[in-house]
Amino acid sequence: GENVEQHPSTLSVQEGDSAVIKCTYSDSASNYFPWYKQELGKGPQLIIDIRSNVGEKKDQRIAVTLNKTAKHFSLHITETQPEDSAVYFCAASPNTNAGKSTFGDGTTLTVKP
Amino acid sequence: KAGVTQTPRYLIKTRGQQVTLSCSPISGHRSVSWYQQTPGQGLQFLFEYFSETQRNKGNFPGRFSGRQFSNSRSEMNVSTLELGDSALYLCASSLRTGSDSPLHFGNGTRLTVT
Repeated sequence: GENVEQHPSTLSVQEGDSAVIKCTYSDSASNYFPWYKQELGKGPQLIIDIRSNVGEKKDQRIAVTLNKTAKHFSLHITETQPEDSAVYFCAASPNTNAGKSTFGDGTTLTVKP
Repeated sequence: KAGVTQTPRYLIKTRGQQVTLSCSPISGHRSVSWYQQTPGQGLQFLFEYFSETQRNKGNFPGRFSGRQFSNSRSEMNVSTLELGDSALYLCASSLRTGSDSPLHFGNGTRLTVT
């Protein structure tokens, strides 16, 4: 089955700096790669996603890049703010089924004011 | 539009008991997935339902089961509870099954088994 590895497990940055979280996956059949943000006491919330026919996607301060050949994808957050502090999860999903997603272990991002 | 609603938010049960968790998806969403979240294992897929049919099942023992009703609401049941079943159980809904339909998660049910 699919295996998703996520790095780093913790990340601390100063407000205004950029943050990068990287994930690798093993199953070449995966073609949908969402990123989720989970705040304390809440469920994960989708913040951005990318499909295998796209190399990069941007939404304001958040961007995701995908390298299908190398089987890795990354989340980039620019101009970080304290409210960006949360746990971030990457996931990979096969062509037919986003419901059956394999998640990375999560990255705890702390943005220091 | 109301989000995914999970009830109850917290549960405390004793080993050997059984428990039923409930999930109401976003209106119009027909697919419901369940995940178990623990500090040691992260987010693990339990099962997915679409139009009252189980579409996929993760690698969990048969003590974990679920169902979906005609209004898309879903329940999951865990029988003969073990201490290791203590976790946050998350439900996610999507419009349909398929990789072009993102998941929307509820805030989960925190189950503690003593």
